[in-house]
Amino acid sequence: AQRVTQPEKLLSVFKGAPVELKCNYSYSGSPELFWYVQYSRQRLQLLLRHISRESIKGFTADLNKGETSFHLKKPFAQEEDSAMYYCALSGYNQGGKLIFGQGTELSVKP
Amino acid sequence: GAVVSQHPSWVICKSGTSVKIECRSLDFQATTMFWYRQFPKQSLMLMATSNEGSKATYEQGVEKDKFLINHASLTLSTLTVTSAHPEDSSFYICSASPNRVNSNQPQHFGDGTRLSIL
Repeated sequence: AQRVTQPEKLLSVFKGAPVELKCNYSYSGSPELFWYVQYSRQRLQLLLRHISRESIKGFTADLNKGETSFHLKKPFAQEEDSAMYYCALSGYNQGGKLIFGQGTELSVKP
Repeated sequence: GAVVSQHPSWVICKSGTSVKIECRSLDFQATTMFWYRQFPKQSLMLMATSNEGSKATYEQGVEKDKFLINHASLTLSTLTVTSAHPEDSSFYICSASPNRVNSNQPQHFGDGTRLSIL
């Protein structure tokens, strides 16, 4: 069965501290993994995808097939990073259909 | 960049009313659009895949007669909640991505529609 698990509902850190938002997945095949972010009162937007292997707003995520994980990391959190973060999975040739994790609310305190 | 527009953003209506929500891709064509439902403080749950020119594909447990989907053009999909009841109150979100051959394009999301049934 396809599943995305984000074990933390809320993650609270201080500004400048490292951040790691956890994401594990279950999929029988080669999925594509995404991180979406939703800032307060804004629409859901793509943060990054594993095939791009790029850093956006200081965030990175590496796909670990052995551990079936796609954790999101940032070395130094900023207050403007406070938002809801969703990990999502899309199967190959599924036309973009996304399976979302439960979401993690990141709160960065000054 | 690719923009998805959703209308209306908020609807309040009486129980038994049917409500139509529109999802438009403003600057690209989309053969496929997706409809999600989100309960407060919960994740997005895929309801159905909207296919231009053909029937929508519904996820398990989603009533197709309750949630009618029409995708009449490459830029517009509509979700009609028929005979809505209070339990249908939720946040409905659509997404779409530009048509590309052999490519899994990231989805672009609308702002969502908050539906409140009294």
